[in-house]
Amino acid sequence: DAGVIQSPRHEVTEMGQEVTLRCKLISGHNSLFWYRQTMMRGLELLIYFNNNVPIDDSGMPEDRFSAKMPNASFSTLKIQPSEPRDSAVYFCASTQDSGRYNEQFFGPGTRLTVL
Amino acid sequence: DQQVKQNSPSLSVQEGRISILNCDYTNSMFDYFLWYKKYPAEGPTFLISISSIKDKNEDGRFTVFLNKSAKHLSLHIVPSQPGDSAVYFCAASGLNNDMRFGAGTRLTVKP
Repeated sequence: DAGVIQSPRHEVTEMGQEVTLRCKLISGHNSLFWYRQTMMRGLELLIYFNNNVPIDDSGMPEDRFSAKMPNASFSTLKIQPSEPRDSAVYFCASTQDSGRYNEQFFGPGTRLTVL
Repeated sequence: DQQVKQNSPSLSVQEGRISILNCDYTNSMFDYFLWYKKYPAEGPTFLISISSIKDKNEDGRFTVFLNKSAKHLSLHIVPSQPGDSAVYFCAASGLNNDMRFGAGTRLTVKP
């Protein structure tokens, strides 16, 4: 298995532009998590899905952020419009929801820079 | 609202000595705790975990200790090796199965 796949690995954009980050889950996993890593706050949970349904989006910073799971194996995180303070590394992680104690498998992350 | 806190942003130890990384949490509903390790340009990878029914879990050179009354856990690495140099994240999970991470501690093991 290739593991969790994220694209792009790096994104540089200008303030005000729309940014879409993509994530492919590990086959057989049905829970998906989006995180943001910054120097100041470490790893923050933004949103997570179980069986394609958003369970907790309380970590989504503003309405400019939205996440979807159009199918069981794929998710997008969209920022529109983007701002310089959105610059961070964004990770997605997946897990097999076979119980409560599940290791999350992380993708390599997308480094976003908003100028 | 930082429910999981790692108060030491960095730690430096000599090869062969013990590394102790600390983590505190505030939510008493957390009942499962994990440590993840992260190398540059990679995603975090799972290292070791502990359930709240235990106070210690050991896996080779890595041991996690849990003190529920103090809402504190620690990761011990002994002996430390240069390859252990990475950022270590503490994480906690509760009934709703989401995961809250600390800000991370950067460990440097000097040869």
